[in-house]
Amino acid sequence: SAVISQKPSRDICQRGTSLTIQCQVDSQVTMMFWYRQQPGQSLTLIATANQGSEATYESGFVIDKFPISRPNLTFSTLTVSNMSPEDSSIYLCSAREGSSDIQYFGAGTRLSVL
Amino acid sequence: DAKTTQPTSMDCAEGRAANLPCNHSTISGNEYVYWYRQIHSQGPQYIIHGLKNNETNEMASLIITEDRKSSTLILPHATLRDTAVYYCIVRVAGYSGAGSYQLTFGKGTKLSVIP
Repeated sequence: SAVISQKPSRDICQRGTSLTIQCQVDSQVTMMFWYRQQPGQSLTLIATANQGSEATYESGFVIDKFPISRPNLTFSTLTVSNMSPEDSSIYLCSAREGSSDIQYFGAGTRLSVL
Repeated sequence: DAKTTQPTSMDCAEGRAANLPCNHSTISGNEYVYWYRQIHSQGPQYIIHGLKNNETNEMASLIITEDRKSSTLILPHATLRDTAVYYCIVRVAGYSGAGSYQLTFGKGTKLSVIP
């Protein structure tokens, strides 16, 4: 099974600043995903990130607010831009293991915006 | 993807079997049933998935009814570490066009294992 590491595990940020979250997978994967989990809620997909192409964003999420990079088959970043308190959430990275069609998740980044 | 319905919460005594139901009455013939769980302050963890046959692995068993409209996840000997939110998700395995491979999480069932 793929092991996914996210950095930072948590951060407290000021309104108007940006934070970049890193996601590292211990094996090569074609598809990676970014989710948001607001306090007390379930997970919501932000975007799908494939290596070599632009990320595909879900309704309600835009590239200017959540730019994503996917430079290779083991790494991706999600930036939360111009943050407001409403962006306080857990952000989770996920990767799909192609041979088994199973998705594995990182432990998440707990973001608080003041 | 088909919608699922799960109870909001359940309790289970430690050492007993935990049976978590899921209704997916609109499931299509090519949709699989996936189960994930999320322990507090962790990312979701894959448990098991199946199409129509019952499945078993080291973590759990998945029982799917013959009409595939519902399923039950069984944790045979629940421990305190099994306390988590359990998500039942239905989706097509493999590529099926735009939006493939996405997992749509509902609210899940909060399982509390009681000492």
